[in-house]
Amino acid sequence: QVQLQESGPGLVKPSETLSLTCTVSGYSISRGYYWGWIRQPPGKGLEWIGGIYYSGNTYYNPSLNSRVTISEDTSKNQFSLKLNSVTAADTAVYYCARASVQVTRILSYYYMDVWGKGTTVTVSS
Amino acid sequence: QSVLTQPPSVSAAPGQKVTISCSGSSSNIDNNYVSWYQQLPGTAPKLLIYDNNQRPSGIPDRFSGSKSGTSATLGITGLQTGDEADYYCGTWDSSLNTVVFGGGTKLTVL
Repeated sequence: QVQLQESGPGLVKPSETLSLTCTVSGYSISRGYYWGWIRQPPGKGLEWIGGIYYSGNTYYNPSLNSRVTISEDTSKNQFSLKLNSVTAADTAVYYCARASVQVTRILSYYYMDVWGKGTTVTVSS
Repeated sequence: QSVLTQPPSVSAAPGQKVTISCSGSSSNIDNNYVSWYQQLPGTAPKLLIYDNNQRPSGIPDRFSGSKSGTSATLGITGLQTGDEADYYCGTWDSSLNTVVFGGGTKLTVL
């Protein structure tokens, strides 16, 4: 059974860098799939942040692209999120998830089939 | 403002059927596959439907998905109180090069 668990600071100061790690159990991230992050501000909907393949290929949300880095550590079966220059608007529940991905000219798909429980990150001084 | 448009809320009685719509455009729904997620209160989203109409293992056939042109629909039959949740549609947007979600629909089982 594949399980994902987010970890990291629950409080980050404005202008600093938000750093989260997702630890995967029950499946080796180097076997395949994309591994990524989705967030949900309080009382709002889902926002996709981005994902990484074990080969290092990444997709990022263009609205966050300049501030986001997703990386992986296959030796620890973990992947991580870094979001720099955070503001109060980055306050959200952050979920890590496994994704099935095919991005082509048409008939693309990108869906998340296994999710972590989420971790709340508050940006405040 | 979400790229995909869903009704904010729907409601129906136990045992009845409900549908939730998701409207998009040629750059997303019309030419790509749609997925649906269920988010029970206080929990992480759960994949209900992928590739427009496929159910992952363990999802009952009370849940169904369909797509026509720039719109997709989630159907739920035999409503149960345990189905009360927020439902989100999602897909890839080929123009924005990003995953896009609907704003979510809150289902109330009266």
